[in-house]
Amino acid sequence: DGGITQSPKYLFRKEGQNVTLSCEQNLNHDAMYWYRQDPGQGLRLIYYSQIVNDFQKGDIAEGYSVSREKKESFPLTVTSAQKNPTAFYLCASSGGLLAPNEQFFGPGTRLTVL
Amino acid sequence: QKEVEQDPGPLSVPEGAIVSLNCTYSNSAFQYFMWYRQYSRKGPELLMYTYSSGNKEDGRFTAQVDKSSKYISLFIRDSQPSDSATYLCAMSSPGYGKLTFGQGTILTVHP
Repeated sequence: DGGITQSPKYLFRKEGQNVTLSCEQNLNHDAMYWYRQDPGQGLRLIYYSQIVNDFQKGDIAEGYSVSREKKESFPLTVTSAQKNPTAFYLCASSGGLLAPNEQFFGPGTRLTVL
Repeated sequence: QKEVEQDPGPLSVPEGAIVSLNCTYSNSAFQYFMWYRQYSRKGPELLMYTYSSGNKEDGRFTAQVDKSSKYISLFIRDSQPSDSATYLCAMSSPGYGKLTFGQGTILTVHP
């Protein structure tokens, strides 16, 4: 099956710890994205990558880091510098030939800071 | 002022009703318009994608875009309890993959 997978589904973190969220896609899409979703605020862009080994900050990049070493993978690290990390994190990809702006989402990771 | 404003709802309708979901935007560079459906604790699912003014129909769903008024709508005909979800509008500029989302509208269709 083609699609986007995210792991883990639920993640609990103690204050002061870094955690890494996994995102993998087998759609052969060039671009990948990370969003954060909070109640009543829609989705906000954290980082995005349009090609391997290149990525740009989105609207709320502070306290987060990413890497893009492979086309299929775009992991997100939530660092201890992120002051309010409890949220639902969504990974997406785009780059289909017929509709390159269409973004497809993974199932999400819910991060809770204890 | 946010670039995209979406009617926040929540919206509660009886089964079989016609539902209208709406977004306005301020950035005239937006040329691609999408509607996503998101069930609780799940990732958003792309419902409709359009890039021209006018209507686009897919089954019970119709997406309407009015670029002159900077206004988009999603209509759901013969609504079903399975349509109960959060609906998100999203839009982007050409050549730039970033999507700007509305806040989402929570829809409940009761039997």
